[in-house]
Amino acid sequence: GQNIDQPTEMTATEGAIVQINCTYQTSGFNGLFWYQQHAGEAPTFLSYNVLDGLEEKGRFSSFLSRSKGYSYLLLKELQMKDSASYLCAVGHLNTGFQKLVFGTGTRLLVSP
Amino acid sequence: DVKVTQSSRYLVKRTGEKVFLECVQDMDHENMFWYRQDPGLGLRLIYFSYDVKMKEKGDIPEGYSVSREKKERFSLILESASTNQTSMYLCASSLRGARTEAFFGQGTRLTVV
Repeated sequence: GQNIDQPTEMTATEGAIVQINCTYQTSGFNGLFWYQQHAGEAPTFLSYNVLDGLEEKGRFSSFLSRSKGYSYLLLKELQMKDSASYLCAVGHLNTGFQKLVFGTGTRLLVSP
Repeated sequence: DVKVTQSSRYLVKRTGEKVFLECVQDMDHENMFWYRQDPGLGLRLIYFSYDVKMKEKGDIPEGYSVSREKKERFSLILESASTNQTSMYLCASSLRGARTEAFFGQGTRLTVV
């Protein structure tokens, strides 16, 4: 089976840096995804890690350690528009087909 | 611009009704998915399809069925709607392969009364 854990809620201040952690236990691991979801909207893709290490994309970076079953999403220079839920999802290769299993999401509130 | 379109944004149905949720994608994606999203439980996979007429059960398939007669369209069917199926339903699609991000529709908020 799969088990994915992330904090329920976090708060941070505009301009600050925040790190959202995700731990997972799964068989057939085939990559880890981060999605952003604003209230009432569809999730949108942020990042993908399949190898250990840090992937940087502008203000957002994502890290993966496969041996520890651990990932984090780092958001720098926070802006008010970054207030959203951040979803960690594990790619699971099942009978040759990729499916995504999601964590419950971390709601981030950015205050002025 | 890639697009996944769900037929309804909001839907209210009565207990026992048969409910169809439709999803269409214009990206020629092989994979399509149906999730439901509930507070505190996150997105849970109901069914997915990796090809026309093919389907696989997800983590919570009970009470649901699906249909994929054409590559671009994936339908979720609630055979006899119940109040515990009140939820936000999200459709997604992706290309076949490992490093394939999923694109989501806007969601259908279904209320069963």
